[in-house]
Amino acid sequence: AQKVTQAQTEISVVEKEDVTLDCVYETRDTTYYLFWYKQPPSGELVFLIRRNSFDEQNEISGRYSWNFQKSTSSFNFTITASQVVDSAVYFCALSEAYSGAGSYQLTFGKGTKLSVIP
Amino acid sequence: DAMVIQNPRYQVTQFGKPVTLSCSQTLNHNVMYWYQQKSSQAPKLLFHYYDKDFNNEADTPDNFQSRRPNTSFCFLDIRSPGLGDAAMYLCATSKGLGTTNEQFFGPGTRLTVL
Repeated sequence: AQKVTQAQTEISVVEKEDVTLDCVYETRDTTYYLFWYKQPPSGELVFLIRRNSFDEQNEISGRYSWNFQKSTSSFNFTITASQVVDSAVYFCALSEAYSGAGSYQLTFGKGTKLSVIP
Repeated sequence: DAMVIQNPRYQVTQFGKPVTLSCSQTLNHNVMYWYQQKSSQAPKLLFHYYDKDFNNEADTPDNFQSRRPNTSFCFLDIRSPGLGDAAMYLCATSKGLGTTNEQFFGPGTRLTVL
């Protein structure tokens, strides 16, 4: 069975600080995908990144960066120079190649609520 | 802009009174999903449609039903809402099934049960 753990329930940082959101996953598959989604107060889930299990190259997109390490089953997300608009709940998610019963569901972690204080 | 639309954004119903939530998409995606997200919890998949094929998650209560009359629309019917069904309901779409298919989420409908 697949599982995603986001140990940090809530984090508060002061604007312009860097912050890292942790994500640890469990899966028996060798082929899987990892995702990060942002959920602002408005409610919709906004896709941030998808990473497949064969690509361990780190990725940077503006102030966002992701560190994927298969050896530790982690897919951590760092926001550099945080801004108030970054305040949201961030979900890490895992999708295996096939989840059974005809579904390819995303297994979400419980989310990390990030508050950026001006 | 192509998007996933959910109406209404907020829905109030009474205990036991049937309620229908609506989702539409302009992405022309084959797959539509319904998730339930309770307060401070992760979204939980209820079911999905691949075209007209309905796939129910094993632990989705019978109280929850869905209809997809055409590609663009999908409805979530809660036959007899209980207090425990109060949650945010998220609709999502993807072009196809499989891990490479990114899911696009709507803004959600927050359901209150009185």
